[in-house]
Amino acid sequence: QAELMESGGGLVKPGGSLRLSCAASGFSFSDYYMTWIRQAPGKGLEWVSYISSGSSIIYYADSVKGRFTISRDNAKKSLYLQMNSLRAEDTAVYYCARDSRFDAFDLWGQGTMLTVSA
Amino acid sequence: DIQLTQSPSFLSASVGDRVTITCRASQGINNYLAWYQQKPGKAPKLVIYAASTLQSGVPSRFSGSGSGTDFTLTISSLQPEDFATYYCQQVNTNLITFGQGTRLEIK
Repeated sequence: QAELMESGGGLVKPGGSLRLSCAASGFSFSDYYMTWIRQAPGKGLEWVSYISSGSSIIYYADSVKGRFTISRDNAKKSLYLQMNSLRAEDTAVYYCARDSRFDAFDLWGQGTMLTVSA
Repeated sequence: DIQLTQSPSFLSASVGDRVTITCRASQGINNYLAWYQQKPGKAPKLVIYAASTLQSGVPSRFSGSGSGTDFTLTISSLQPEDFATYYCQQVNTNLITFGQGTRLEIK
């Protein structure tokens, strides 16, 4: 069945960098827009970025613009999030999710935790 | 940016109750609204999309309605597995926002 699995989270110092990955399986990854969504501990959901199926359309939330870069490799069925200049407020569980084509996210990974702390 | 405001933020109800959660957008979003259910420690799960379309596999006791700026999620008869946090979400002008969430707890 269709699955998404994130990896790459961990503990990073403020100002540091990290790259998250999301591996897709069980569906035609190259046909779908993909997105990253995060959730700080005890808080609500915050959209981070999305990327079109062919990588031609990319948008970011203002809170990460200029620091985060979304990308994908359709041949590897993988989505990425390069995060630079990390701040304490970036601490969150990061989810990758599939856009169902109805501007809703019908498939989510289990999430990967990023902690930014000295 | 379009803001989504959910009400109430917290709701206490009993099994069998009918409950309604409201999501109000700061400007019109047509019907580009989705609802998610999230249980502790788990990823969100899509419940409703396009304001009123039930996601495959979701029980029919869930329903959504609304358009423009005002939307509702209704659970017709609460079941024990429905106690969770619910979020609305919209896509407009290529920016995505979520409501702050409604925590539904057992009375």
